[in-house]
Amino acid sequence: NAGVTQTPKFRILKIGQSMTLQCTQDMNHNYMYWYRQDPGMGLKLIYYSVGAGITDKGEVPNGYNVSRSTTEDFPLRLELAAPSQTSVYFCASSKGQEREKLFFGSGTQLSVL
Amino acid sequence: GNSVTQMEGPVTLSEEAFLTINCTYTATGYPSLFWYVQYPGEGLQLLLKATKADDKGSNKGFEATYRKETTSFHLEKGSVQVSDSAVYFCALRGAQKLVFGQGTRLTINP
Repeated sequence: NAGVTQTPKFRILKIGQSMTLQCTQDMNHNYMYWYRQDPGMGLKLIYYSVGAGITDKGEVPNGYNVSRSTTEDFPLRLELAAPSQTSVYFCASSKGQEREKLFFGSGTQLSVL
Repeated sequence: GNSVTQMEGPVTLSEEAFLTINCTYTATGYPSLFWYVQYPGEGLQLLLKATKADDKGSNKGFEATYRKETTSFHLEKGSVQVSDSAVYFCALRGAQKLVFGQGTRLTINP
């Protein structure tokens, strides 16, 4: 009954540090997504993937990288953290036939100081 | 481009009050429209949807009608409960991706 699992839930980084946000889903969904949510703003799409080995940029990809080596996992990498990347990050997944029904993880709150 | 605008929050109501959360959109073509809900400590989950003009989506006592003439998809519930306290997101899907509004935080007091 896990659904979409994100780790960690909270993280504080110093400027210039790097980290990977982990996301895994156990529903065999082919579509996966990374969103960020800034205070008072809607969710903005960072990257998405339509299947293992295939990724594409969303609205705000700069400063991030992703990979999709398996159906289950879709990690998000921050190489040189900047204060502008302070945000809440959500991973989500969906079936190909029901792409609008996204299943979300509970989020990672990231602060870059 | 496509965009969604929701009413400013937070919204605070008493139990059994009538709820309306406004949502308007800008889009080319005829997008599908959605309401997502985020309960405390959880991820977003789909609440209801409508795929064409005049469709009414409904779930858990919530309703929203796709109004093409006013480009709106307002969320309503006749009698709210404390358990409805959450953040509500309006969204649309155009050609490929979902576009979300900024979210409206709703608090229901007993």
